[in-house]
Amino acid sequence: GENVEQHPSTLSVQEGDSAVIKCTYSDSASNYFPWYKQELGKRPQLIIDIRSNVGEKKDQRIAVTLNKTAKHFSLHITETQPEDSAVYFCAAMEYGNKLVFGAGTILRVKS
Amino acid sequence: DSGVTQTPKHLITATGQRVTLRCSPRSGDLSVYWYQQSLDQGLQFLIQYYNGEERAKGNILERFSAQQFPDLHSELNLSSLELGDSALYFCASATGGDTDTQYFGPGTRLTVL
Repeated sequence: GENVEQHPSTLSVQEGDSAVIKCTYSDSASNYFPWYKQELGKRPQLIIDIRSNVGEKKDQRIAVTLNKTAKHFSLHITETQPEDSAVYFCAAMEYGNKLVFGAGTILRVKS
Repeated sequence: DSGVTQTPKHLITATGQRVTLRCSPRSGDLSVYWYQQSLDQGLQFLIQYYNGEERAKGNILERFSAQQFPDLHSELNLSSLELGDSALYFCASATGGDTDTQYFGPGTRLTVL
């Protein structure tokens, strides 16, 4: 089955700097890659997603890139703000619409 | 607010007991997914239902079972509870198509004492 690795496990940035979180997946048949933001004790909230027929997608300060050949995808957050502090999860959708999640990245934005 | 509802928010029970968690999907969604989130295992897929039928199974224990009813709400039943079952349980809903976006409910925090 699918295996998703996520790095780094923690990331501290200064307010206004950029943050990058990287994920690799193992199953070349996976074709949908969402990113979720989770605040403490709350639900995972979808922030952006990308399908395998697209290489890059952007939504305001958030962008995701996908390299199918290398089987990795990345989340880029620009101009970080304190409210961006949370745990971020990447996921890959394997056959049967099952999401396999990475272990998560704790992002701390210092003001 | 994702439109997915879950009850109860919190549940505290003892080892050996049985509990039922409930999920109502977003209006129009036919698929319901159940996930378990614990500190050491992260977010793990348990089971998926589509329009009342089981569609996919993950690492769900035999002590756990689920069903989806004609009105599309779903229940996750956990029995013979153990301390290690303490976790956040989320359901997510989706329309049911391929590469479907999943929207998560607020979760049920289960504590087994």
